[in-house]
Amino acid sequence: TQLLEQSPQFLSIQEGENLTVYCNSSSVFSSLQWYRQEPGEGPVLLVTVVTGGEVKKLKRLTFQFGDARKDSSLHITAAQPGDTGLYLCAGSGGSYIPTFGRGTSLIVHP
Amino acid sequence: DTAVSQTPKYLVTQMGNDKSIKCEQNLGHDTMYWYKQDSKKFLKIMFSYNNKELIINETVPNRFSPKSPDKAHLNLHINSLELGDSAVYFCASSQGDRVFWKNEQFFGPGTRLTVL
Repeated sequence: TQLLEQSPQFLSIQEGENLTVYCNSSSVFSSLQWYRQEPGEGPVLLVTVVTGGEVKKLKRLTFQFGDARKDSSLHITAAQPGDTGLYLCAGSGGSYIPTFGRGTSLIVHP
Repeated sequence: DTAVSQTPKYLVTQMGNDKSIKCEQNLGHDTMYWYKQDSKKFLKIMFSYNNKELIINETVPNRFSPKSPDKAHLNLHINSLELGDSAVYFCASSQGDRVFWKNEQFFGPGTRLTVL
C-alpha cells in the first residue's frame, strides 16, 4: 500500500504570512494532485503534477513535484482568510487507485 | 447547477439498520466513485464504477453494496450498520476511467452518517 504523509497536520497563521505544506512518500507516484476541502463540502481539485521537478503556479499558490516523484509541496504566499481549509494531496502509483494523505488543516486569521 | 449531488446530507440511524445514500451527477461523466472520510479527515476510496461496471472495490465489507442503475447515478446501500460506519461519505465523478491523473474528480457535498 502506498502511503502519503502530510505535514504539518495543523497550521494556524495570520493573514499575510507565507506557508508551506508537504506531502511525502517512500513510494514513487506517477502523478500527484492537491485538493482543498472547506467545512461541509467535498474536496475541490487545485492542481495535478505529473513530471518530476514540475512547478505549477495558481495565483498565490505554488506547487512542486519532487524530482524523484516521491514528494510534493504547496507554498502559499501572503495567505488570506479565504485560504482556510483542509489541503489534501492524492497520488496514483502503479495502480489507478488514488491514495490520499490525511491532510493539512489551515486556518488563516484576519 | 449542482454538478454532483448526494442525498441525504445527514443520516442518523441505529446500529443494525439498513440505509441507502443516493448520488447523481449531471456532468455527463463516465466514472463515479464512493469515498469514506473518517473523523480524522482520512479520505479513502471504496468503489468506482465506469459505465455501470465496477472497476474498483477496495476491501470494503460485504455490508456495503454499490448500485449503478445508469451512468449518472451511483447509490450506496449499507446493511446492518455498525458504529464504525459513522463517517462522511462522498460521491465523486470524473470523465474517463483508469488513468487517475488525467481526470479531475468532482466531489459531491458529502453525507454525514451517524450510527448510534
